[in-house]
Amino acid sequence: DAKTTQPNSMESNEEEPVHLPCNHSTISGTDYIHWYRQLPSQGPEYVIHGLTSNVNNRMASLAIAEDRKSSTLILHRATLRDAAVYYCILTRAGNQFYFGTGTSLTVIP
Amino acid sequence: DVKVTQSSRYLVKRTGEKVFLECVQDMDHENMFWYRQDPGLGLRLIYFSYDVKMKEKGDIPEGYSVSREKKERFSLILESASTNQTSMYLCASSPRTALRSYEQYFGPGTRLTVT
Repeated sequence: DAKTTQPNSMESNEEEPVHLPCNHSTISGTDYIHWYRQLPSQGPEYVIHGLTSNVNNRMASLAIAEDRKSSTLILHRATLRDAAVYYCILTRAGNQFYFGTGTSLTVIP
Repeated sequence: DVKVTQSSRYLVKRTGEKVFLECVQDMDHENMFWYRQDPGLGLRLIYFSYDVKMKEKGDIPEGYSVSREKKERFSLILESASTNQTSMYLCASSPRTALRSYEQYFGPGTRLTVT
């Protein structure tokens, strides 16, 4: 199974950068790395994804290790609205996602 | 604006009842998914569908069935609800693509309580 390992929880001060780590040592060559987040009382929402190279979008950056066995989601300036559970996900054959339990991010004002 | 809607936000049913959870997407997506979310277990895939009238079992299909008669609608059915099916149910959709780089769009969830 293409599983990921994330810390259960992390804290960050408001307006500081946040680095959310993810280990995926069993990743296969064609698996994409996706990040989703889930705000309280909402369904998950897409944040970013990548394959081998680092990726940037308006929400975050994704840094992927050279051996692809780990990745880091970077929020450049955390806001209170970024408090959520962040899921690191690998795709699997048949277009399935394995979500895991994610990292609960607390942003401290 | 893309949208996935679920028929109810909150639902309370009795043990043994037949329960229907409806999901509708307006993005013309081929793929649709049903997950359940429980504390400490994250999201687990129940069933998914690649196309109309097609379905595939996910990780935890026992006690559930699904129906996809129209492209935009994917229904989850609990034939005889049990208390261990009390959970948050999330529906998602995504476009079909040869690359595994697509985004899944989620509905707001249905919190089902079986008493």
